[in-house]
This record gives sequence, structure tokens and C-alpha cells, in this order.
Amino acid sequence: AQSVTQPDIHITVSEGASLELRCNYSYGATPYLFWYVQSPGQGLQLLLKYFSGDTLVQGIKGFEAEFKRSQSSFNLRKPSVHWSDAAEYFCAVGAHYGGATNKLIFGTGTLLAVQP
Amino acid sequence: DGGITQSPKYLFRKEGQNVTLSCEQNLNHDAMYWYRQDPGQGLRLIYYSQIVNDFQKGDIAEGYSVSREKKESFPLTVTSAQKNPTAFYLCATSAPEIQYFGAGTRLSVL
Repeated sequence: AQSVTQPDIHITVSEGASLELRCNYSYGATPYLFWYVQSPGQGLQLLLKYFSGDTLVQGIKGFEAEFKRSQSSFNLRKPSVHWSDAAEYFCAVGAHYGGATNKLIFGTGTLLAVQP
Repeated sequence: DGGITQSPKYLFRKEGQNVTLSCEQNLNHDAMYWYRQDPGQGLRLIYYSQIVNDFQKGDIAEGYSVSREKKESFPLTVTSAQKNPTAFYLCATSAPEIQYFGAGTRLSVL
């Protein structure tokens, strides 16, 4: 069965420090992978996606992620965190479900706090 | 103004009452989804619809119902059979592999 694991529930980093959020997935075929960000009380915004090709993908707000098939991982990184990056981050894997529609399976999220 | 509109933003349900959450989109996307979000559990799929007049159960459909009479609209009814309805509900559309989300409706029980 497909699944997504985000092992870190909470992470606190200092402003200006680098960030890496971990994501591991379980999926039989080549997955579609996504990172979303959610501010409190808001919907989810897509940060970046991986479908195929270059395993290092760039997203919005200075984020990037690297797909590592051998480790079944898709970790999110940012070289220098800003206070406005404080939010909850969700990793998701896309699976074809009942036809053409893509079902997303989400991890449980990582809550990022940024210290001044 | 394009996008996905969920209303209301906050909703309160009394014991034994059915309530309906609205989701409207003007993105011309075929597929629409409803998710439930609880703290520490990520998002779980309630129902999805690929085309008008067709919808499928997701992972946690019990106590919920939907309709898809128009491409633009996918309302979710939380019935009295749903014994623990307090959660944040998110509507999404896809085109076709990327899902886009509305701002959500927070449902609480009085």
C-alpha cells in the first residue's frame, strides 16, 4: 500500500539557518511527489512537484527538493529560512486511483517554527 | 478572480443536524475532491468526483454525502451519522495531476 512518512512532527530553526524536511514514501511504481505548505487556518499551497527527469526540483519561495529513488525519499530544503516560512509542510505522493484521477496520499505534516 | 471558493469559513453543527459545506470553482477542472484534516493526521480523502453526475468514496466516506450536478460545484453534506465531525475540511480540484486547494471550512459541534 502506498504511504508517506514525515518523521519530524515539529522542527525549530533560527532565521537565516538552512532547513531540511524529511519525507519517505512507499509506492510500487515511479511516483508523482509533491510538497505543499499550509499557513494556519488556510488551504494548501503547492511548493514544488516531481514527475520525472531531473531529480533536483526547484519550487517557489526558494525551496528545492531532491528525489532519491534508492532511499525512497523526497526531502525538502531551503538554504536560508525566513520568518515567513513558519508554517506546516506536507509531503504527498500521487497515485492513480480508480482511473485517470490522481489521488494524493499525504504525510502527517511537519510544523516549522522559526526563531528570530 | 479565479480559484476555488469554500464557504462558509466557520460552521457550527448542532446534535442530529445535517450541514452542507460549499465548494465552487471557476478553473474549469474536471476532478474535485473533499479532504478532512485533523491535527497530527494529515489529510484524508472523503469523496472525489471525476466528472459531472459521478463521484466515488474515498477512505473515510461514512457519515458524509456529496453531489456533482454542475462542473463548478461539489457540495459536501456532513450528516448526523458522522459522530465526530469537528475538523477542518478542504476542497480541491485537479488539472489533471496537480491538486489545488481552497481555503477550507472549519466545522465545530455546538
